[in-house]
Amino acid sequence: QAGLTQPPSVSKGLRQTATLTCTGNSNNVGNQGAAWLQQHQGHPPKLLSYRNNDRPSGISERFSASRSGNIASLTITGLQPEDEADYYCSAWDRSLRAYVFGTGTKVTVL
Amino acid sequence: EVQLVESGGDLVQPGGSLRLSCAASGITFSFYWMSWVRQAPGKGLEWVANINQDGSDKYYVDSVKGRFTISRDNANNSLYLQMNSLRVEDTAVYYCTREDWGSQEYWGQGTLVTVSS
Repeated sequence: QAGLTQPPSVSKGLRQTATLTCTGNSNNVGNQGAAWLQQHQGHPPKLLSYRNNDRPSGISERFSASRSGNIASLTITGLQPEDEADYYCSAWDRSLRAYVFGTGTKVTVL
Repeated sequence: EVQLVESGGDLVQPGGSLRLSCAASGITFSFYWMSWVRQAPGKGLEWVANINQDGSDKYYVDSVKGRFTISRDNANNSLYLQMNSLRVEDTAVYYCTREDWGSQEYWGQGTLVTVSS
């Protein structure tokens, strides 16, 4: 089943801003948006943003999500060393009747 | 505090079967859709299956249809994944997740399933 497309890697300097993208179609991202997850090596993923772009309790305001058409975005402001991780988007696909995940983006903080 | 604890992962031969369990605590289990998500070694996330609140509605990724069965026991706050006809490509860490607002909100620590001869 087709997944969502994310750039493999993004590298930015300390305290800079990184914007990650997630491209889907009208059946998934374009329909109800995408959630965003962060995964540090050796740990389970953690939800950063619900598909409606709201943040769960305890998630820093430095993480903000948005959507334009079939493309969802996650913006990380004021990059910190602990932001180095893999980031995934996910969305329910109404045609496939399945969740689809993005290919993942590795964020490196220089 | 929400806790999801998976168990049942093991080394199994191709064609074999395995049953994964997920014990939930700190949540009103019966209120939520639940999912299984897997991650092959060094790879990305792949959603496997989910089940609605009373177990009457289930969905699966194409690659496991007819082989895997998701179920739940609300009385015991438990989620299950029965895996039959296992293949080498099913090797992964399997996570139990609680869904909310169309998102995988809470994750367990995962249990490793290795399919190898």
